[in-house]
Amino acid sequence: AQRVTQPEKLLSVFKGAPVELKCNYSYSGSPELFWYVQYSRQRLQLLLRHISRESIKGFTADLNKGETSFHLKKPFAQEEDSAMYYCALNSGTYKYIFGTGTRLKVLA
Amino acid sequence: GAVVSQHPSWVICKSGTSVKIECRSLDFQATTMFWYRQFPKQSLMLMATSNEGSKATYEQGVEKDKFLINHASLTLSTLTVTSAHPEDSSFYICSARTASNQPQHFGDGTRLSIL
Repeated sequence: AQRVTQPEKLLSVFKGAPVELKCNYSYSGSPELFWYVQYSRQRLQLLLRHISRESIKGFTADLNKGETSFHLKKPFAQEEDSAMYYCALNSGTYKYIFGTGTRLKVLA
Repeated sequence: GAVVSQHPSWVICKSGTSVKIECRSLDFQATTMFWYRQFPKQSLMLMATSNEGSKATYEQGVEKDKFLINHASLTLSTLTVTSAHPEDSSFYICSARTASNQPQHFGDGTRLSIL
């Protein structure tokens, strides 16, 4: 079955601390994964896609096929990073499968 | 680039009313648009996928006659909630993309409140 799991509903870290938002997936084919971010009262925005292998706002994510993971990381969290983060899998039939989301709170 | 506009952003109406929500891709042509529903503090649930010029594909459990989707052009899709009832109150979000290998771009969402 195709599935995206984000085990943490809420993650609180202090400003300047490292952040890791977990995402695991279940998919039989070659996965295409994304991270979307939703700031308070704003639309979902694409943060990263694994094929781009780029760093956006200091965030990176590496696809680990062995562990079927696509964790989102940032070495030093900022208060403006506080938001809802969704991991999404392109299911190959043009649909996304979203994880349940993780709310990141960066404390001053 | 890749801006998706959704209108209205908020609508309140009486039970039994039909409500139409528009989703427009402003600076690109969207071959495929998606409609999602999001309950408070929950993830997005895909309701249906619409391709320009063809019938929408609905997800299991979504009533086709309740949620009418029209994708008449490459820049516009509409979702009509027919005879809305309080249980239809939710946040509805659309997204669009140009091709299957491109990411989805999301609208701001429409908050629907049925009294």
